[in-house]
Amino acid sequence: GDSVTQMEGPVTLSEEAFLTINCTYTATGYPSLFWYVQYPGEGLQLLLKATKADDKGSNKGFEATYRKETTSFHLEKGSVQVSDSAVYFCALSDGNQGAQKLVFGQGTRLTINP
Amino acid sequence: DTGVSQDPRHKITKRGQNVTFRCDPISEHNRLYWYRQTLGQGPEFLTYFQNEAQLEKSRLLSDRFSAERPKGSFSTLEIQRTEQGDSAMYLCASSASGGWQYFGPGTRLTVT
Repeated sequence: GDSVTQMEGPVTLSEEAFLTINCTYTATGYPSLFWYVQYPGEGLQLLLKATKADDKGSNKGFEATYRKETTSFHLEKGSVQVSDSAVYFCALSDGNQGAQKLVFGQGTRLTINP
Repeated sequence: DTGVSQDPRHKITKRGQNVTFRCDPISEHNRLYWYRQTLGQGPEFLTYFQNEAQLEKSRLLSDRFSAERPKGSFSTLEIQRTEQGDSAMYLCASSASGGWQYFGPGTRLTVT
């Protein structure tokens, strides 16, 4: 079945550092890819998405590019802030047919120190 | 747009008791999803409704679990004869057809 593998955490960085969180996937067909973020005590929020190969999703300074050849969707940010501390989840959905249920990775906890 | 709401936010119950959770989706969304998230893991799909019809259920959804969406609006998830392994965060999400899923804050269940 479809699956998502994320870089293991926790990840600890200093403010203004460059961030990469790796995500690779296995899927049949042509999934859509997502990054969700979960701040402490809050629900999951959609951070960014991409629906086809070579699409780049971006939001709040975060970016990720859908790479079909490497089955990857790595999350990047050029300069992180303390407020970016959260758990980040990579996910895929089964395209435009059927339930479009989300398959999530295990999450990566990010802590940014001032 | 008030977002997806879930009630209660926290539930502590004793093993063997029944519990019921409620989810109110975004009003114009016809799709509703339930997921379960255990500590340190990503959410796992449980079941999905399109309007009032339950169209898919995961193998994770044992016969002790039942979900309904009687009028195609709010949904309930009931767990009968709870077990300690049921302790988790239960997440609800909604979407329009072909749209992106928006999640509620979740209900944290602790079974003692």
